[in-house]
Amino acid sequence: GESVGLHLPTLSVQEGDNSIINCAYSNSASDYFIWYKQESGKGPQFIIDIRSNMDKRQGQRVTVLLNKTVKHLSLQIAATQPGDSAVYFCAERGIKEPSNTGKLIFGQGTTLQVKP
Amino acid sequence: DVKVTQSSRYLVKRTGEKVFLECVQDMDHENMFWYRQDPGLGLRLIYFSYDVKMKEKGDIPEGYSVSREKKERFSLILESASTNQTSMYLCASSLSTGRGQRDGYTFGSGTRLTVV
Repeated sequence: GESVGLHLPTLSVQEGDNSIINCAYSNSASDYFIWYKQESGKGPQFIIDIRSNMDKRQGQRVTVLLNKTVKHLSLQIAATQPGDSAVYFCAERGIKEPSNTGKLIFGQGTTLQVKP
Repeated sequence: DVKVTQSSRYLVKRTGEKVFLECVQDMDHENMFWYRQDPGLGLRLIYFSYDVKMKEKGDIPEGYSVSREKKERFSLILESASTNQTSMYLCASSLSTGRGQRDGYTFGSGTRLTVV
């Protein structure tokens, strides 16, 4: 069945370093991918998204890379700050035929810890 | 600023009680979703709705029902609360889920339900 997974449950980085959070997905028909950030006691918040016809998209301090060949998604955070400490989820949208609609499927999440 | 509002942040209920969790969105979104979030299990979809009065089962619908009488409101009902329904419940909404659409989910802040 469909699954979205993250390689590491916890990632610890030094403040100021770059962070890379990885995600593997299994549905080659997925057309859209999102990264969410969830801080303690809050709901997930949208960070950045990418369509399947792209391989890279940049935001402010964040970059998402999509490698469809190996079905891999990554989130890069530049100059990681203490406020980046949170759980990060990847999500894919698997399209259901013939309705051409899809729901998001979420990964388990990676906890990013930023050391001062 | 778009918003998904869940009526309670914390709720404590007794086993056997009927519990209502309310969610309201002000974005005129078509789609609404209820998830539960548990440590190590990630986000699991309970029910979703693509339109008023329409509902579909997610991955774990047992013990739950939903109601969507108005576009902006999606209620999750625990018919007879049990201790294994103690969890964080997250509501989300989205405008579209169609192929080619770039539209993620907007989440509420969550309701932490404890059943004793």
